[in-house]
Amino acid sequence: AQSVTQPDIHITVSEGASLELRCNYSYGATPYLFWYVQSPGQGLQLLLKYFSGDTLVQGIKGFEAEFKRSQSSFNLRKPSVHWSDAAEYFCAVGAPGGGADGLTFGKGTHLIIQP
Amino acid sequence: NAGVTQTPKFQVLKTGQSMTLQCAQDMNHEYMSWYRQDPGMGLRLIHYSVGAGITDQGEVPNGYNVSRSTTEDFPLRLLSAAPSQTSVYFCASSYSQAAAKNIQYFGAGTRLSVL
Repeated sequence: AQSVTQPDIHITVSEGASLELRCNYSYGATPYLFWYVQSPGQGLQLLLKYFSGDTLVQGIKGFEAEFKRSQSSFNLRKPSVHWSDAAEYFCAVGAPGGGADGLTFGKGTHLIIQP
Repeated sequence: NAGVTQTPKFQVLKTGQSMTLQCAQDMNHEYMSWYRQDPGMGLRLIHYSVGAGITDQGEVPNGYNVSRSTTEDFPLRLLSAAPSQTSVYFCASSYSQAAAKNIQYFGAGTRLSVL
């Protein structure tokens, strides 16, 4: 069974500083990989996704993520965070065979932005 | 564009009461699903549907029923609410039953408290 680990429950970053959120997955092959963001009181919004090809993926709001097969990782990065980036971030994986049983989510990383 | 609409946004129930959480999408998506979100647990799949008349269980189905009589609607029923069902519930939909490959669109959530 696939699984996702987000090692950091909380991360605090100063506004303007760079950000990296970690995500490690467990799966027998290369899964489909996603990052979602959840602002307070809101649903989840897709930031970016990786299916195949270029291992560096660009997303919305200035975010990018890099797939590293050797490390089973899909870390999310942003060069300079803004106060509006404060939110909960979820990494998710899905089975490449398609599969109708949805995505497996990590437990989330809560991002706090210091002024 | 309405996207995925969930009602109600908030609900308080007493133990043993029943209720239905509504979910509707206007994107003609085949795949719909229900997740629950608990602190420190991420999102866990309750039930999903790959099309009208077809439903199946996810990771945590106990205590919940679903039906899919139309493409647009996917209600989640709690027949006898328990305090363990206190959670935030999200409905999601995507274009096809290849759920892992297709972007899932989430509703804003229903926050449920069972006393």
